Amino acid sequence: EAGVTQFPSHSVIEKGQTVTLRCDPISGHDNLYWYRRVMGKEIKFLLHFVKESKQDESGMPNNRFLAERTGGTYSTLKVQPAELEDSGVYFCASSQDLVRTIYFGEGSWLTVV
Amino acid sequence: ELKVEQNPLFLSMQEGKNYTIYCNYSTTSDRLYWYRQDPGKSLESLFVLLSNGAVKQEGRLMASLDTKARLSTLHITAAVHDLSATYFCAVDATSGSRLTFGEGTQLTVNP
Repeated sequence: EAGVTQFPSHSVIEKGQTVTLRCDPISGHDNLYWYRRVMGKEIKFLLHFVKESKQDESGMPNNRFLAERTGGTYSTLKVQPAELEDSGVYFCASSQDLVRTIYFGEGSWLTVV
Repeated sequence: ELKVEQNPLFLSMQEGKNYTIYCNYSTTSDRLYWYRQDPGKSLESLFVLLSNGAVKQEGRLMASLDTKARLSTLHITAAVHDLSATYFCAVDATSGSRLTFGEGTQLTVNP
């Protein structure tokens, strides 16, 4: 069974540009999460989808970040316009329900220069 | 705001030795996760601890949870080089909506 897959694995963009990260959760997992780890900091929650609905988006840092999950399958996280402090690793995770293991992808490494 | 603290943050140990990583958290929770991360890889789930007194073991790793003390431990028995990785604990105080992570413990096991 395929795990959580993320694309791209690495991205280098200039300040002010736009980047879209994609996450494909494990098939059948209704819960999808985005987390990020900026350099030297701990992994922090961004938001949680249940199917196509945003259950909790309290961790989104500002309105330059937009997450979508159309159809309740894959999700995208767009950063527009990107700033230097957005550099870090963006992890996607999914789970079947709220009491089971949460599975993480390998992360998308974003560098804004 | 929930705080999760791990210690130590860096751990260098010899093969064959035992050691414990500690995870303290500041708010009532009965769900705690331990993850392992190898460089450039995903977070691999090790343990999910769901109740006070829960103890789980897998190979040379054993995790426990004391919700009254707000403390979880990850005990390493007779360490081997393959255990070298970064270990994270994460606490769920929102019934499944989000995890709050510790800073991670970077473990190096020397031959």
